[in-house]
Amino acid sequence: GAVVSQHPSRVICKSGTSVKIECRSLDFQATTMFWYRQFPKKSLMLMATSNEGSKATYEQGVEKDKFLINHASLTLSTLTVTSAHPEDSSFYICSARGGTLEAFFGQGTRLTVV
Amino acid sequence: KQEVTQIPAALSVPEGENLVLNCSFTDSAIYNLQWFRQDPGKGLTSLLLIQSSQREQTSGRLNASLDKSSGRSTLYIAASQPGDSATYLCAVRPNFGNEKLTFGTGTRLTIIP
Repeated sequence: GAVVSQHPSRVICKSGTSVKIECRSLDFQATTMFWYRQFPKKSLMLMATSNEGSKATYEQGVEKDKFLINHASLTLSTLTVTSAHPEDSSFYICSARGGTLEAFFGQGTRLTVV
Repeated sequence: KQEVTQIPAALSVPEGENLVLNCSFTDSAIYNLQWFRQDPGKGLTSLLLIQSSQREQTSGRLNASLDKSSGRSTLYIAASQPGDSATYLCAVRPNFGNEKLTFGTGTRLTIIP
């Protein structure tokens, strides 16, 4: 299957700082990328959908100014958690879709805000 | 609003047994259904994808079935191995024009050596 690389896998940051997470499709062009958040022992919650060259579409209840998403190329999308707080600590996962029917997921990023 | 449920939430079986994981969804108007595996602290690995027009898909020891009209899918794992221990998630896609996946709550599977 196609490979989606997410970086970093773990990050610890201080409260009030910003953190950027990258999601790359390594061997295909991802016209659409998705960002999910997963709470402990819970399923994935879709945060936003991004299409290359367009503004991201955020799900209800997700703060656009808090979670900045950029999809500047067909192989890269970034999620920036701005002014992070401890309640933003979570597992963030991206997925990417190209021309096939399947969604391929990154390895996830464990964010801890202290 | 689509809701996806997986029962049981956790399952432990001895190595070598065959087992079935269940996934149910409330809105039968789906485009496809996908089964994923998630290891602790890791991302998702796609296992099988079933289109709405299909009844089942097989990959090695895994077989996934889909009964769209009743809103159910099952993942059958034959001859289970300790390496199969993980959380299994199912997800449905509503239609061709909508790429959002709705995920189930997951089943945490433990294979006892």
